[in-house]
Parts: sequence; C-alpha cells; structure tokens
Amino acid sequence: NAGVTQTPKFQVLKTGQSMTLQCAQDMNHEYMSWYRQDPGMGLRLIHYSVGAGITDQGEVPNGYNVSRSTTEDFPLRLLSAAPSQTSVYFCASSRASNQPQHFGDGTRLSIL
Amino acid sequence: QQQVKQSPQSLIVQKGGISIINCAYENTAFDYFPWYQQFPGKGPALLIAIRPDVSEKKEGRFTISFNKSAKQFSLHIMDSQPGDSATYFCAARVAGNTPLVFGKGTRLSVIA
Repeated sequence: NAGVTQTPKFQVLKTGQSMTLQCAQDMNHEYMSWYRQDPGMGLRLIHYSVGAGITDQGEVPNGYNVSRSTTEDFPLRLLSAAPSQTSVYFCASSRASNQPQHFGDGTRLSIL
Repeated sequence: QQQVKQSPQSLIVQKGGISIINCAYENTAFDYFPWYQQFPGKGPALLIAIRPDVSEKKEGRFTISFNKSAKQFSLHIMDSQPGDSATYFCAARVAGNTPLVFGKGTRLSVIA
C-alpha cells in the first residue's frame, strides 16, 4: 500500500497563479482533510470531507477550494496564489475522525 | 480561537530523562484525545490516543495522563532517547465525525 500520496513535493508559484495540490489514498478511507503547517501555528484545518461528494470548511478555508468526486482523491485548489499561502500543506485520511489519521509527506509551497 | 492549548513550545531533555508535554482544553464535548509525532520532512503520525473515560494509557515508554475535571491531558515520555527528538502535537475532537483540532506543537530535543 502506498498510503497517502501528495504531489508535488515542492512548488514555487508567482502571486496570482493558480494550481492544484493532489492527494490520493489507497486505503478506502472515507474521511480526508487538508492542513497547512506554519512555524509556531501548528496544524490548521483548511477543508475536510467525510465521504465522496461531501466537503466542508475548516478553520482557514479562504483562498482554497476542494472537491471529492471519488473516495481516493481529494485535490486542493489555490485559486489565485498569495504570499500568505506560503506554507507546508498536508493531506490526511482515516476511516473516521476518531481513527488514526494517515498523513502524506507534505507539499512545500512558496509563493513569490 | 485556540481550542487546545499546548505547552511548552520547546523542550530539551537529557537522554534517559522524562519528557512531559501538557495540553489544556475548554470544550467538554471533546471525546477523543490523540497525540501525534512528527519528524522533520515527514507528516505527523499517530503516537497514542485516549478517551475521557480512562485516566491513563500506556504504550511502551509513552503514557497519556488525562484529568477530566481539570480539562488537561499530558504526554509523558519515559527514558527519553535522541530518536524521540521530534515535534509533538496534541489534538482533540467533538463527538461525531468532526475534525480534529490540534495544539500548536512542542519541539522536543533529547540530548546525550
């Protein structure tokens, strides 16, 4: 099993560009989520999904969109990148929110 | 609004010593309290978790102590080793398939 796979691992964008961070899991997990990690801020939830076709906002959703058309995939879209979105982004999946969350190794995103 | 307050931000412990990280919360609807461990360049991974009907849970050198009346829980790492050097996050969630909320993390360094 590959677990949770995030691509790309690194990305540099210019302000105003858009891009999609990919997240795929092969564990048939219903629950998936996106976090951003910034120094001294811990892990902050951006969006999450309790199953295909269902998404909801987390603590810091502005500037990000998600969709969940399949159980396996949960892409995160930056609509118009801003320097404040420079961060490390983690995707996680689990059977439910009170079950162990399996994290990917992150995407390190820099926006100039 | 920070729902889980974690302390200290950083901790240096001698090899063989006890590492103690504390978390406090206000929301009495929380029903699940996990701890995650993160090594540099990797995503967090579940270390140990506890539910509020238990006051202590031990797995190897790692112990969670839970004080429901004080609304506090802590992670104790016995016989700390250099390989334990990592960032540790406490988390909690409200009953139901709701997202985890994370503390801001503690960077532990175990020195020989």
